[in-house]
Amino acid sequence: AQSVTQPDIHITVSEGASLELRCNYSYGATPYLFWYVQSPGQGLQLLLKYFSGDTLVQGIKGFEAEFKRSQSSFNLRKPSVHWSDAAEYFCAVVANTGTASKLTFGTGTRLQVTL
Amino acid sequence: DAGITQSPRYKITETGRQVTLMCHQTWSHSYMFWYRQDLGHGLRLIYYSAAADITDKGEVPDGYVVSRSKTENFPLTLESATRSQTSVYFCASSDGAANYGYTFGSGTRLTVV
Repeated sequence: AQSVTQPDIHITVSEGASLELRCNYSYGATPYLFWYVQSPGQGLQLLLKYFSGDTLVQGIKGFEAEFKRSQSSFNLRKPSVHWSDAAEYFCAVVANTGTASKLTFGTGTRLQVTL
Repeated sequence: DAGITQSPRYKITETGRQVTLMCHQTWSHSYMFWYRQDLGHGLRLIYYSAAADITDKGEVPDGYVVSRSKTENFPLTLESATRSQTSVYFCASSDGAANYGYTFGSGTRLTVV
């Protein structure tokens, strides 16, 4: 069955520092991969998505992610973090099973930004 | 306004009571989903629907019932609430194409006492 693993539960970075959040997937075919962000008390917002083609994907808010098939990874990066980036980040994979394409989420990584 | 709306935003109920969480979307998306979010588990799929009158179980369906008589509404009912169902519940919708991802509501925080 498809799954994603986010090995880091909590990460703290200083404002202005670079960020990398890890995501590893398990899926037999070419995966559709997503990163979502959840600000406190809010729903989930799509940051970016990968289906095929260029393995470096640009998203909103200055985020990017790189798909590496050899490592089964889809890590999220940002060159310079802002205090407003503090949130929870979820990696997800789509699997076409049953009657719908369904998202399976990782357990999330909580990002804290220090000033 | 267009979008996906969940109600109520917060709910406290007692063990054993029936409670219904509402979800309404205005895009006429075919697919709708219910997830619960718990610390350490991320989001887990409860039920989903591919169209009106078509529903299917997700990863954690026990204790929940859904219906979809109209495309725009997808209520989630806890028939006899238990404390383990204390959670944040998110509704989402999709046009069905995997590459478009989902759009999520703002969530309902349910506490069962």
